[in-house]
Amino acid sequence: NAGVTQTPKFRILKIGQSMTLQCTQDMNHNYMYWYRQDPGMGLKLIYYSVGAGITDKGEVPNGYNVSRSTTEDFPLRLELAAPSQTSVYFCASSRGLAGRETQYFGPGTRLLVL
Amino acid sequence: KNEVEQSPQNLTAQEGEFITINCSYSVGISALHWLQQHPGGGIVSLFMLSSGKKKHGRLIATINIQEKHSSLHITASHPRDSAVYICAVNGGSQGNLIFGKGTKLSVKP
Repeated sequence: NAGVTQTPKFRILKIGQSMTLQCTQDMNHNYMYWYRQDPGMGLKLIYYSVGAGITDKGEVPNGYNVSRSTTEDFPLRLELAAPSQTSVYFCASSRGLAGRETQYFGPGTRLLVL
Repeated sequence: KNEVEQSPQNLTAQEGEFITINCSYSVGISALHWLQQHPGGGIVSLFMLSSGKKKHGRLIATINIQEKHSSLHITASHPRDSAVYICAVNGGSQGNLIFGKGTKLSVKP
């Protein structure tokens, strides 16, 4: 099993550009999450999904969109990139709700917006 | 005030030392997680606990729900233990995790 995979590993965007961060898991987990990690700060939840077709906002959703058309995939869309979105993005999945189940993390995507 | 506080922020130890990292939280929870973030950035889950103590190899995690406090201990520390250790609690909206800022551990040979 590959676990949770993310692409790309690193990307530089210009202000105003758009991109999609890809996330795929092969563990048949219902729950998936997107976090961002800023230097010196704890991970912050952007969006999460409890199953295909169901998504909900986390703590810091502004500037992002998600979709969940399959159990395996949970892409994160940045529509108009801003310097404040420079961060490291982690996708994660769990069998049940994060609080009560082990979370499995992808390797991260480092995004730089200039 | 952060809902999850970790101490110390940074910790340097000599190989073989006993290490303790602390986590205090201010919200009601039913589970607490300890995670390890490798120097390369990858994050792995070490423990999830809701009471008492758990042990895995040289790592021991304890929690006191009444005092809202948890500790992560590393016995006989080794340079390969060098990483950032993150505490998280399920006190967020819909039971999602709230993360501490992490403790950066460096173990010198």
